[in-house]
Amino acid sequence: EIVMTQSPATLSVSPGERATLSCRASQGLSSNLAWYQQKPGQAPRLLIYGASTRATGVPARFSGSGSGTDFTLTISSLQSEDFAVYFCQQYNNWPPGGTFGPGTKVDIK
Amino acid sequence: QVQLQQSGPGLVKPSQTLSLTCAISGDSVSSNSAVWSWIRQSPSRGLEWLGRTYYRSKWYNDYAVSVRGRITINPDTSRNQFSLQLNSVTPEDTAVYYCARSGRGYDYWGQGTLVTVSS
Repeated sequence: EIVMTQSPATLSVSPGERATLSCRASQGLSSNLAWYQQKPGQAPRLLIYGASTRATGVPARFSGSGSGTDFTLTISSLQSEDFAVYFCQQYNNWPPGGTFGPGTKVDIK
Repeated sequence: QVQLQQSGPGLVKPSQTLSLTCAISGDSVSSNSAVWSWIRQSPSRGLEWLGRTYYRSKWYNDYAVSVRGRITINPDTSRNQFSLQLNSVTPEDTAVYYCARSGRGYDYWGQGTLVTVSS
């Protein structure tokens, strides 16, 4: 099973600043990686799929990059509603439903 | 607009069966392009995919190794929904359970159900 790791565990950022979140896979994924945002008490929300394609309705300040084993989610200018936990998920390999990273919490500096 | 509405009890006794249902609107459980999954989330295990059902001229199911032998996911075409049954639960099965649709990533999720396993 592919193991996903994310860094940092917590990222403290001021509103308006840029945030860069990392995700690494234990095996190559091609571009079969998604990013999710989760706020307290809510289900995760799909932000990015295919490593770099924004899901419907996702603001352009969110961008994804990378392929193989190393991926990045960038939030260009943090808004108040962006403070949340972000998860990456691989869907390239077993299990068929994919595996999730442990998450990066983005909080207010 | 696709919506997934979960229902089921929030408290299950150890050794009993956890049962949840996910009602689909705006799509079909029999869709030839969608896949319908159950995912759970707990502090100790994070987000964990449990299993899925999907229709591609016939019905298919896949289950996570961690719950295989205890889990059943069934589609219900008459009600346009799918269900989760997890047998012989223990306190380690305490989690928030989600149903979700996947195409490229999980694009629609249910609201989540906190299921506590306790006597």
